[in-house]
Amino acid sequence: GAGVSQSPSNKVTEKGKDVELRCDPISGHTALYWYRQRLGQGLEFLIYFQGNSAPDKSGLPSDRFSAERTGESVSTLTIQRTQQEDSAVYLCASSDPAGTNPYEQYFGPGTRLTVT
Amino acid sequence: LAKTTQPISMDSYEGQEVNITCSHNNIATNDYITWYQQFPSQGPRFIIQGYKTKVTNEVASLFIPADRKSSTLSLPRVSLSDTAVYYCLRGGGYQKVTFGIGTKLQVIP
Repeated sequence: GAGVSQSPSNKVTEKGKDVELRCDPISGHTALYWYRQRLGQGLEFLIYFQGNSAPDKSGLPSDRFSAERTGESVSTLTIQRTQQEDSAVYLCASSDPAGTNPYEQYFGPGTRLTVT
Repeated sequence: LAKTTQPISMDSYEGQEVNITCSHNNIATNDYITWYQQFPSQGPRFIIQGYKTKVTNEVASLFIPADRKSSTLSLPRVSLSDTAVYYCLRGGGYQKVTFGIGTKLQVIP
């Protein structure tokens, strides 16, 4: 089946505008993760969903960041009033807790966000 | 936070075996050790996972000593296409996982 997909692949926005990033996980994967990766840096955990619930939102950098998931499928990460420091690649991953390797995360290609 | 320590960078010639060691002194009883590989402009890709002793798959081997305070990823006979960043993670369950900076492996012809 298809892997994790993310859209858009690239997004350029002006400072102060809101952006929505979308993640389509692998079908049947109930766990979904969002990460941020700045240039030359490691991955920074943002939020994790189990089903449609987000038991851990501790990684969200500020109240400008929010995420939701519906139907145990698609997730959107919303950044309000974008700032230049929000420029990064936003990666989404999913995993199947009931699978043979429940801790393996499958990553999407990411969305490169540039705030001008 | 689940913290690990690994070298920032390594160089290796093609055809050599590469061993990347990761320290995780405060590993919890239910933590697994997982390694990911990331190429530029791509998301990370799972390589291997283990709990203790040795695990081997078609890509790599993972050695975890009895005290589990460290682990070593072994890549046999690397090629130029193995040039990537390698992340060592510790954790258990479907929860917050911390990726550090990783080890940037450069394979030299």
